Amino acid sequence: EAQVTQNPRYLITVTGKKLTVTCSQNMNHEYMSWYRQDPGLGLRQIYYSMNVEVTDKGDVPEGYKVSRKEKRNFPLILESPSPNQTSLYFCASSPLSITDTQYFGPGTRLTVL
Amino acid sequence: GENVEQHPSTLSVQEGDSAVIKCTYSDSASNYFPWYKQELGKGPQLIIDIRSNVGEKKDQRIAVTLNKTAKHFSLHITETQPEDSAVYFCAAWGFSGGYNKLIFGAGTRLAVHP
Repeated sequence: EAQVTQNPRYLITVTGKKLTVTCSQNMNHEYMSWYRQDPGLGLRQIYYSMNVEVTDKGDVPEGYKVSRKEKRNFPLILESPSPNQTSLYFCASSPLSITDTQYFGPGTRLTVL
Repeated sequence: GENVEQHPSTLSVQEGDSAVIKCTYSDSASNYFPWYKQELGKGPQLIIDIRSNVGEKKDQRIAVTLNKTAKHFSLHITETQPEDSAVYFCAAWGFSGGYNKLIFGAGTRLAVHP
């Protein structure tokens, strides 16, 4: 089944404790991105990647890192999480670019205490 | 930069009625406008999109219209069913903050009552 998977789905952590949210797609898509969803703000792009080893900042990159060592994986890293990073996070992939159909993962609900 | 406003934020209709959600955008160069449906506990899913070279697109009970002059686009759902209940997001592809990106509206929570 073609899909985007994220892990974990739920995470409660404390300020400053490094964490990684994994994202994997099995559709051989070139383009991958991370969004955060907050009430009243819709989805905002954090980082995106147009291909392996090519990543770039989105709208709200502060406090986040990403890597794209393989085409299928695009982990999101929070080196020192803070309470304002409490949010619902989505990974998405599309065949070539952001104007292709984007396929979203199921989401990761992160709470930083 | 691009800004997308979406209205209403909540919409309640009776089963069988039509529902209309409207979005406005600011960047006249935007040329791609997708609509996403997000069910509870799931990620958004593309339901329909339109590009600037057409004014309307239809897929069964769902249609999207685009008015480039007025810079607004709308989602129309006819003969609504309870399974249409979800949060709907519009988006516009535009240039903002130094690069091209999809800007999302804040979302509309649609409730369809049997």
